[in-house]
Amino acid sequence: KAGVTQTPRYLIKTRGQQVTLSCSPISGHRSVSWYQQTPGQGLQFLFEYFSETQRNKGNFPGRFSGRQFSNSRSEMNVSTLELGDSALYLCASSHYTANTEAFFGQGTRLTVV
Amino acid sequence: DQQVKQNSPSLSVQEGRISILNCDYTNSMFDYFLWYKKYPAEGPTFLISISSIKDKNEDGRFTVFLNKSAKHLSLHIVPSQPGDSAVYFCAASEDRGSTLGRLYFGRGTQLTVWP
Repeated sequence: KAGVTQTPRYLIKTRGQQVTLSCSPISGHRSVSWYQQTPGQGLQFLFEYFSETQRNKGNFPGRFSGRQFSNSRSEMNVSTLELGDSALYLCASSHYTANTEAFFGQGTRLTVV
Repeated sequence: DQQVKQNSPSLSVQEGRISILNCDYTNSMFDYFLWYKKYPAEGPTFLISISSIKDKNEDGRFTVFLNKSAKHLSLHIVPSQPGDSAVYFCAASEDRGSTLGRLYFGRGTQLTVWP
């Protein structure tokens, strides 16, 4: 069974640009969440999607957005990139139920220069 | 405001011995707890979880203990192996009814198991 797939693995962007990251969840998983990991803030929740609807949202500015497609695949977008957006972005998928484990992808390392 | 805290940034243990990683939380609404292991440049790997209705869960070499009154949980690894060397994250979630919801993570503990 394939795991969570994130593309691309590495990305370098310039300040002011926008970026789109992609996540394919484990087959059968319908819930997808996104997290940002930085040395200073640790792992921070961005948002959670289920059935193409955003279910939860973390404390990030509106420049961070996401969506989920009917096949459960998800994308997140960051507009007007800032140097501080440099981070490892992680996608996690889980079953549609509470008290279940989330499985993470390998992440996308975004560097903003 | 860090609702999940791992106060030990590092732990060094000899191979074969027990590793005990600790985690404290402040939110009494947390009802599900997970431990993840992470290697550099990889995503976190799920290890073990525990629901608030239990006080212990065991899976092979890994055991998680939950003390709700103290808002404390710990991960025991017995026996420790060099391959266990990684950063360990504690995470918690509130009951959202139908989905896992937001996970609150601690800052992690770097475990080093030496031969």
